[in-house]
Amino acid sequence: QVVLTQSPSASASLGASVKLTCTLSSGHSTNTIAWHQHQPEKGPRYLMKLKSDGSHSKGDGIPDRFSGSSSGAERYLTISSLQSEDEADYYCQTWGTGFSVFGGGTKLTVL
Amino acid sequence: EVQLVESGGGLVQPGGSLRLSCAASGFIFSSYSMKWVRQAPGKGLEWVSYISSSGSAIYYADSVKGRFTLSRDNAKSSLYLQMNSLRVEDTAVYYCARDGDGDYVAYWGQGTLVTVSS
Repeated sequence: QVVLTQSPSASASLGASVKLTCTLSSGHSTNTIAWHQHQPEKGPRYLMKLKSDGSHSKGDGIPDRFSGSSSGAERYLTISSLQSEDEADYYCQTWGTGFSVFGGGTKLTVL
Repeated sequence: EVQLVESGGGLVQPGGSLRLSCAASGFIFSSYSMKWVRQAPGKGLEWVSYISSSGSAIYYADSVKGRFTLSRDNAKSSLYLQMNSLRVEDTAVYYCARDGDGDYVAYWGQGTLVTVSS
């Protein structure tokens, strides 16, 4: 079964950029993933679907500051011009017939 | 606007049962597959169950298989999760989720808290 690996934490300064990584386990490097943002005390929010070729489609109202890219088994979420409200947990998700899997999440701190 | 509103959470003793509901609006409910995803205290997101748009295909995580039953009523735009034989480790916020043009979550509800404790 596919496993998604994310760093537990990341930090960056207000106004800067940050790149979060989601790594697909061996044999699953072509999987499409989805990125989700989970702010404290709120329901999660879908950010984008990201394919292995780096093409992505964003959810409703997701700002241009959020972008995705891919390289091999790695899927990236880049957030530019960081704002305080970007401080949240970020999860990647992939799926197959009969199952769905989430990464462990990355807690982003905006300094 | 897509809206997913969960209800039915609460405190229940180990071994007890609970039925979660999700009322959907703002889209054609019968056209989309749906999921339940949960988050235990201090933990990450965990997929619980999936149901296809027609209800003909239903899948469960191994952790809930045989204890939870997922169903939907397309006429009422509603999703249900019957949870039996509840365990302490089922304590979590349960999110109703609508899939996109594939089996990924495109919309989330606000969640309902289920606490299993004696």
